[in-house]
Amino acid sequence: DAKTTQPPSMDCAEGRAANLPCNHSTISGNEYVYWYRQIHSQGPQYIIHGLKNNETNEMASLIITEDRKSSTLILPHATLRDTAVYYCIVSAFYSGGYQKVTFGTGTKLQVIP
Amino acid sequence: DAGVIQSPRHEVTEMGQEVTLRCKPISGHDYLFWYRQTMMRGLELLIYFNNNVPIDDSGMPEDRFSAKMPNASFSNLKIQPSEPRDSAVYFCASSLRARTGYNEQFFGPGTRLTVL
Repeated sequence: DAKTTQPPSMDCAEGRAANLPCNHSTISGNEYVYWYRQIHSQGPQYIIHGLKNNETNEMASLIITEDRKSSTLILPHATLRDTAVYYCIVSAFYSGGYQKVTFGTGTKLQVIP
Repeated sequence: DAGVIQSPRHEVTEMGQEVTLRCKPISGHDYLFWYRQTMMRGLELLIYFNNNVPIDDSGMPEDRFSAKMPNASFSNLKIQPSEPRDSAVYFCASSLRARTGYNEQFFGPGTRLTVL
């Protein structure tokens, strides 16, 4: 199963773009890249996912390199409420409904006023 | 929809007691996941079900842990007997597998378990 590596922590000034990197060099062709975040002690919250193409939704943008070995989550205008731990995971479905899901240690993003 | 519902939100028990954590997934979802989160080990997947059938329980730490999903609307995770090292936040999540092969998980608020 593909594993991900992320920097343990990052700071970002409020109003600026936050760019969170993720390495997934052993990703398989059918594995999606997912991003979740966990604010304080709440349950993780889904942000965005992608397979090959870059993706954008109302929360963030996801940039996946052409070789798919890394990706970047972009929060275009970070606010104090974006302070959280951000997890990058890769996952796919296999026969029999099997799905490997491994959350790494994540990146603790601190948005600074 | 109310989202994933977990109960109780907090549980304090003594070592050796049986603990039952409960989860109601989002209606229509076909996957249900149980996770455990601690400071030391982070977020760990314990077990997950597809259409009420356990698919992978390799994350269940010991035989003291068991999980069932008797129907599409309910799952429980039992610890018997409980030990202090079981103290953690337990999350339940559900998802619906899309035809394109991805699924986003919706997490519940978690149950904070303290075993004294």
